[in-house]
Amino acid sequence: GAGVSQTPSNKVTEKGKYVELRCDPISGHTALYWYRQSLGQGPEFLIYFQGTGAADDSGLPNDRFFAVRPEGSVSTLKIQRTERGDSAVYLCASSLNPTVHTGELFFGEGSRLTVL
Amino acid sequence: DQQVKQNSPSLSVQEGRISILNCDYTNSMFDYFLWYKKYPAEGPTFLISISSIKDKNEDGRFTVFLNKSAKHLSLHIVPSQPGDSAVYFCAASARDNNDMRFGAGTRLTVKP
Repeated sequence: GAGVSQTPSNKVTEKGKYVELRCDPISGHTALYWYRQSLGQGPEFLIYFQGTGAADDSGLPNDRFFAVRPEGSVSTLKIQRTERGDSAVYLCASSLNPTVHTGELFFGEGSRLTVL
Repeated sequence: DQQVKQNSPSLSVQEGRISILNCDYTNSMFDYFLWYKKYPAEGPTFLISISSIKDKNEDGRFTVFLNKSAKHLSLHIVPSQPGDSAVYFCAASARDNNDMRFGAGTRLTVKP
C-alpha cells in the first residue's frame, strides 16, 4: 500500500518479555517518527529518525526502549523487560520534509501493545 | 508537562451547525500548529495547519483561527456533517524542536 504500515496491529505479551514493533514508512519519506498514545491522551513523541540516524531520541522514557532504522526505511521499536505501564498504542509516522516543523505527518494505524 | 491542552474531551453538535474545537498552548516558542483527525482503529490524519505569521487559514468547511497573544487556537467546521464525527487532535511544533506536541484530543459527535 501507499501508506505507513505497522505490524503487528495487536500484541499481547507478559510482563518482563521483549517486544519488537515494525514500521514501514511511505516510500521516499526520509523522516520517521515514533509516538506512543495512552488511553485518553494524545500522541507522545518518542524518537525521530532522519535517514538512518536517530536525530532526536529525547522522548524515549528509559533505556528499555530502543529503535533502529538500519537502511533508512523500515524502523523497529524494541522494548525490553516490558512493564504493564508500557501498554499503549505505538504510532509510527513519516514525513517528506526533513523536519517536522512545517510538514504534516503521515501516521500508520498503530500497534496496540498490551502487557499483562 | 502538557504544553498543548484540549480542555473539552467531547463535543456534540447537530448536523448543519457549526462545530468549534478549542486548543490552548503554553510554549511561546511554538510557531506552527496543526489539526489532525482520527477515526477508530486508524492513525491520525492531517486536516489543516496554520503558521504563526497568520491568524486564519481556511480550507473548505474547515477554518483554523490563531490568537497568539492568548496562546489559543480553534478549529471551526461549518456546516458540520455526520462524517466529521471523530477525535480531533491539536498539535504544535517549534522551529528548534523535532517533535510535535499533541493535545489529548476532543471527540466530536455530529448528530443527524
